[in-house]
Amino acid sequence: GAVVSQHPSWVICKSGTSVKIECRSLDFQATTMFWYRQFPKQSLMLMATSNEGSKATYEQGVEKDKFLINHASLTLSTLTVTSAHPEDSSFYICSARLATGFAYEQYFGPGTRLTVT
Amino acid sequence: GNSVTQMEGPVTLSEEAFLTINCTYTATGYPSLFWYVQYPGEGLQLLLKATKADDKGSNKGFEATYRKETTSFHLEKGSVQVSDSAVYFCALSHISGNQFYFGTGTSLTVIP
Repeated sequence: GAVVSQHPSWVICKSGTSVKIECRSLDFQATTMFWYRQFPKQSLMLMATSNEGSKATYEQGVEKDKFLINHASLTLSTLTVTSAHPEDSSFYICSARLATGFAYEQYFGPGTRLTVT
Repeated sequence: GNSVTQMEGPVTLSEEAFLTINCTYTATGYPSLFWYVQYPGEGLQLLLKATKADDKGSNKGFEATYRKETTSFHLEKGSVQVSDSAVYFCALSHISGNQFYFGTGTSLTVIP
């Protein structure tokens, strides 16, 4: 159980275009999902917290107009990178939070490799 | 504040060697502690967890004990395999909050 999927797994887009990444919790409902960015050989950087039915909360330094997050249902959150530039190329990982009694656990998607040319 | 500090890598071991990856934390209250593993090109997978002091998490031969007195959660495995080559992340979270705090990750390479 507790599987999170991401689509697409990799995408190449041209500079100036927008790309949407989907994050789905397949077998549980998640009122809260998270979007991370990971640079090569570095840890995960939390970009934003996505709450179902409300606006996302962005971490300091993350441009909310560039990284649009929509949490339309209890099983789906989307990240849209608008007007992408080469510096947006990265590995984007989502996670969905599941309450387990004593703590929250985060279940991670497999990640989306974005390359902007 | 809350933070996690991991030993820096990369770590290279021969097959069947003993593994220790150190993790210490700073936290308010009583967090839960986690180890995640990331295989090349993949997302993170939960490896093991512990929710209170003196708990031992274990999975796939890996173990870690929640030590409140030393604020540590070191990952150990008695005999590593080539298939264990991955990046390992230590993390903490609180039941009351959203935030997961991750360490910087430790890359492990096991050679035959």
